[in-house]
Amino acid sequence: KQEVTQIPAALSVPEGENLVLNCSFTDSAIYNLQWFRQDPGKGLTSLLLIQSSQREQTSGRLNASLDKSSGRSTLYIAASQPGDSATYLCAGLNYGGSQGNLIFGKGTKLSVKP
Amino acid sequence: DTGVSQDPRHKITKRGQNVTFRCDPISEHNRLYWYRQTLGQGPEFLTYFQNEAQLEKSRLLSDRFSAERPKGSFSTLEIQRTEQGDSAMYLCASSPRLSVTDTQYFGPGTRLTVL
Repeated sequence: KQEVTQIPAALSVPEGENLVLNCSFTDSAIYNLQWFRQDPGKGLTSLLLIQSSQREQTSGRLNASLDKSSGRSTLYIAASQPGDSATYLCAGLNYGGSQGNLIFGKGTKLSVKP
Repeated sequence: DTGVSQDPRHKITKRGQNVTFRCDPISEHNRLYWYRQTLGQGPEFLTYFQNEAQLEKSRLLSDRFSAERPKGSFSTLEIQRTEQGDSAMYLCASSPRLSVTDTQYFGPGTRLTVL
């Protein structure tokens, strides 16, 4: 059974810092891995999706990497801004078993101080 | 394209009452998913539809829960005889094609509070 873990659970940084959020998964048989952003009391916004054949994806100040062999993904945020404050969730989509449901970590709550 | 919408956004009910939530996916999206998220946790899968067919249900979906997508467009999630443990955010998502690898687009969620 796939388990997704995110470390740290919470992170506070000053504005302008570069930072890395970590995600690990126990079952390397994944189709893809997605990173989402969730603002308090809101739904999820998809940030980046990395297919199993890819190693990284970039969108603006965000870069996500995937290492299936080690069961790890990272989300790199460059030049952080207060508007980046939110909870960041990673989710894996597995081969076999369920046809398409995502397995989520508990998230990393990020606070960027001005 | 107005995104995935959910109604209501908030629902407060008393234990034992029935509640129904609605999800309108992005137009022409074949797949529709329901997830439940409790405080401090990531979303957990409940069920999903491909067009009007309900293809999978999680063990989290007890007999008190039922979901429908009658015409392959909007979906409803009903909870009968609500319990305090049902208090959570109920999230709906849709994806555009038949491939399981497509991005899922999430709605704003319905927050349920059972008193």
